[in-house]
Amino acid sequence: QSALTQPASVSGSPGQSITISCTGNNTVGTSHLVSWYQQRPGTAPKLIIFETDKRPSGVSPRFSGSKSGYTASLTISGLQTDDEADFYCCSYVERSRFAVIFGGGTRVTVL
Amino acid sequence: EVQLVESGGGLVRPGGSLRLSCVASGFTFGDYGMAWVRQAPGKGLEWVSEISWSGATSGYADSVGGRFSISRDNGKNSLYLQMNSLRPEDTAFYYCAREGPYVEFDLWGQGILVTVSS
Repeated sequence: QSALTQPASVSGSPGQSITISCTGNNTVGTSHLVSWYQQRPGTAPKLIIFETDKRPSGVSPRFSGSKSGYTASLTISGLQTDDEADFYCCSYVERSRFAVIFGGGTRVTVL
Repeated sequence: EVQLVESGGGLVRPGGSLRLSCVASGFTFGDYGMAWVRQAPGKGLEWVSEISWSGATSGYADSVGGRFSISRDNGKNSLYLQMNSLRPEDTAFYYCAREGPYVEFDLWGQGILVTVSS
C-alpha cells in the first residue's frame, strides 16, 4: 500500500511552535481528506484535525492543519508539557474510497 | 454518554479465529460508517477495515483481506470483526472507531488486545 511519511520525532521548548509533516504522493497529494490524531500513552487516539485544517469542537486552537502539494502539516503553537504524545496523520489511498492509511507517527517531546 | 466499547479479545493460537464486537451508545449508530483500527504493541496505527452505515459496502487493508470480515447490526448498535487464520503479526490492540463524512475517526473505543501466540 501507499505510504504516508512522518518524522519519527519532533521536540520543542514550552511556548515554542513546532510543525509535523506528513508526505504522500497518491494520498495527501490528491486529497483534502487529511486528519490528525493525538495519542497519549495507554490511551486511544483522539481526533484533533479533520479535512486538512478543521478542528473538532473542544480541540485547542493551538493545533492547526495545512497542506501544500504532497505534504500536510500539523502545527502546535505555544507548546505545553501536556502536548507530549504521539501524533498520526491519516488519509485515504487514491485508488479506492475504502482504503485508508495512517502515517508512521511522530513522537512530540517537550524539552 | 457517547461511547464505543469493544469486547471479544484474548489469546488465540496461530491459525485460530476470534470475533470482536463493539457496542455503541449515546448516538444514532446507523447514521455512521464504522471502522476497525489496530496497533501492535509499541507500534503505529494501522487501518484494518471499515463498513458503510448500511453495511452495503466495506473495505479491508491488504494485510487482512480474505482473512477478516467486518459486519454490523444496526438494530443492536453493534459492529463486528470476524478474524480467521490469525497470524502472530495480527497481535495488536484493536480499536473500534466511528467515521465522519470526511474520512475522520471522531470517536474511538478503549481498545481490546488480541494476542496470537502458541
